[in-house]
Amino acid sequence: NAGVTQTPKFQVLKTGQSMTLQCAQDMNHEYMSWYRQDPGMGLRLIHYSVGAGITDQGEVPNGYNVSRSTTEDFPLRLLSAAPSQTSVYFCASRPGQSNTGELFFGEGSRLTVL
Amino acid sequence: AQSVAQPEDQVNVAEGNPLTVKCTYSVSGNPYLFWYVQYPNRGLQFLLKYITGDNLVKGSYGFEAEFNKSQTSFHLKKPSALVSDSALYFCAVRDRGGGYQKVTFGTGTKLQVIP
Repeated sequence: NAGVTQTPKFQVLKTGQSMTLQCAQDMNHEYMSWYRQDPGMGLRLIHYSVGAGITDQGEVPNGYNVSRSTTEDFPLRLLSAAPSQTSVYFCASRPGQSNTGELFFGEGSRLTVL
Repeated sequence: AQSVAQPEDQVNVAEGNPLTVKCTYSVSGNPYLFWYVQYPNRGLQFLLKYITGDNLVKGSYGFEAEFNKSQTSFHLKKPSALVSDSALYFCAVRDRGGGYQKVTFGTGTKLQVIP
């Protein structure tokens, strides 16, 4: 029962470095998304995907890239890390558009940018 | 644009007392409404949802929520709070229209159940 798996759980970067947060799900969900969680701001959508090869921007996409080459994987890339990207990142998935289902979340990746 | 408001940053309740965590929403169409719970250093877990039908929805761990269309509210309730209910609670809304509507989350309410 893996569900949604995120790696790494913790990461410290220096300003300007790049990195990729990995997300994989084993539930054959069409929809996958990335959120960031910041104190007092709830969860904000960064990018989402409705299937392999299809991605779109959320509320706060700047500084992040995504791709969806397979149904299972949805990596989030930070191109040039900035202190403002210090946050906890969550990957979430759910079944296809005809489903009224809830989101399934990973355990989160805590990123600190110095 | 859709939005969710959770007016209380924190709710304190004594163990055994009833609890309410408030949520109001705004969408252009009809909503799907959700509650999630987050324990420390964990991801969000689904509690319950309103899709259609009965306005009173029952979910996991004895929680329930009442959909009130006229007040655009979806408050989370539990008749008797447990210390283990202490966590961060998020309300979320999704527009009912076709396609892959995004989910908008509230800012969260920290529930503290006092022994």
